[in-house]
Amino acid sequence: DVVMTQSPLSLPVTLGQPASISCRSSQSLVHSNGNTYLNWYQQRPGQSPRRLIYKVSNRESGVPDRFSGSGSGTDFTLKISRVEAEDVGVYYCMQGTHWPPWTFGQGTKVEIK
Amino acid sequence: EVQLMESGGDLVQPGGSLRLSCAASGFTFGIYWMQWVRQPPGKGLEWVSHINGVGTETTYADSVKGRFTISRDNAKNTVYLQMNSLRAEDTAVYYCARDNSGIDYWGQGILVTVSS
Repeated sequence: DVVMTQSPLSLPVTLGQPASISCRSSQSLVHSNGNTYLNWYQQRPGQSPRRLIYKVSNRESGVPDRFSGSGSGTDFTLKISRVEAEDVGVYYCMQGTHWPPWTFGQGTKVEIK
Repeated sequence: EVQLMESGGDLVQPGGSLRLSCAASGFTFGIYWMQWVRQPPGKGLEWVSHINGVGTETTYADSVKGRFTISRDNAKNTVYLQMNSLRAEDTAVYYCARDNSGIDYWGQGILVTVSS
């Protein structure tokens, strides 16, 4: 199984400042078809997860452009350029290249300082 | 608008059974894989099971293999999760989700509590 490791697990951020979350996989997430199935999800308190980024760097419709994804192979990053109060929650990476199982990172809790 | 609505969650005793349903709307149900993902209270996300669009391929997490069965009825736009031999560690919010290059839409979740 592919193990997804996120860091940090807790991220206190000042409003208006940038934030960055790392996600590393135990093996390359490049599929034989050339795609890399690495997604990022946001779960606000008391809500279902919501996909922010798919295939490493593609932003979902309606997701603010302060969110961006990057990376390749086994190392991936989610960046928030300027954190806003509504960004509080837990962020998960998930791989869908080597399945089953689909696997998630442990989650990174973003909170306001 | 894509909507996924889970139902069937309950409090059940260890060893008991439960069937979850997920009613889908707002998209062409039969062409999408569907997934179940669970989240124990206060913990992270755990993938449970997937089914392809026509219901001919299914996969399961090792933790539920042999106890849970996923199925779908495309005429009713509904996916199911039959859960047998339930254990305390199956206690979680269960999410139904659509797969589109990974999960793109999630239901609101339904709580399953396994306790005596």
